Amino acid sequence: GENVEQHPSTLSVQEGDSAVIKCTYSDSASNYFPWYKQELGKGPQLIIDIRSNVGEKKDQRIAVTLNKTAKHFSLHITETQPEDSAVYFCAASRMRGSQGNLIFGKGTKLSVKP
Amino acid sequence: SAVISQKPSRDICQRGTSLTIQCQVDSQVTMMFWYRQQPGQSLTLIATANQGSEATYESGFVIDKFPISRPNLTFSTLTVSNMSPEDSSIYLCSVEGQWDTEAFFGQGTRLTVV
Repeated sequence: GENVEQHPSTLSVQEGDSAVIKCTYSDSASNYFPWYKQELGKGPQLIIDIRSNVGEKKDQRIAVTLNKTAKHFSLHITETQPEDSAVYFCAASRMRGSQGNLIFGKGTKLSVKP
Repeated sequence: SAVISQKPSRDICQRGTSLTIQCQVDSQVTMMFWYRQQPGQSLTLIATANQGSEATYESGFVIDKFPISRPNLTFSTLTVSNMSPEDSSIYLCSVEGQWDTEAFFGQGTRLTVV
């Protein structure tokens, strides 16, 4: 069935270093790939997304890359700060044209040490 | 982005009882979704709340256990029926914007069944 694999499950970096989280998806029909940040006790917050007609997207310190052939997409955070510490989820759309019907990865707990 | 209000934010319930969770959006949205996030886990789609018709449930979720209403384009409810401790989770409402851009989540309802 449809599946999204996310690695690593935990990631610890020093403040100022870069962090990379990788995901793979199984459904070729997926065409929308969002990334969510979830802080303790809060709902997921969309931080960046990419659609299948684009290979890379950047927003300040955050970038996402997509390789449709390999069914891989990755989140890159540069110049990490302690406030980046949270759980990050990747997701893939389960229906073409839908941004809310998503299958999620299992999450990556990012810790940024001052 | 849409502002989503979920009520209650948390509750502790006795097994065998039912709880209805409300989701109110500050603008009309095309799609509304209900997700479950078990403790320390990822998000799993329960169902799509369809305005004016029955909800569309994902595999493993049934209407008798999770009845859903969506009377208009800004409001939906999810009921967790005949609760058991295994239903202890965070339940999240998500909406897809009117212009098919991205999906936003509410803060979630943290449910504990004792």
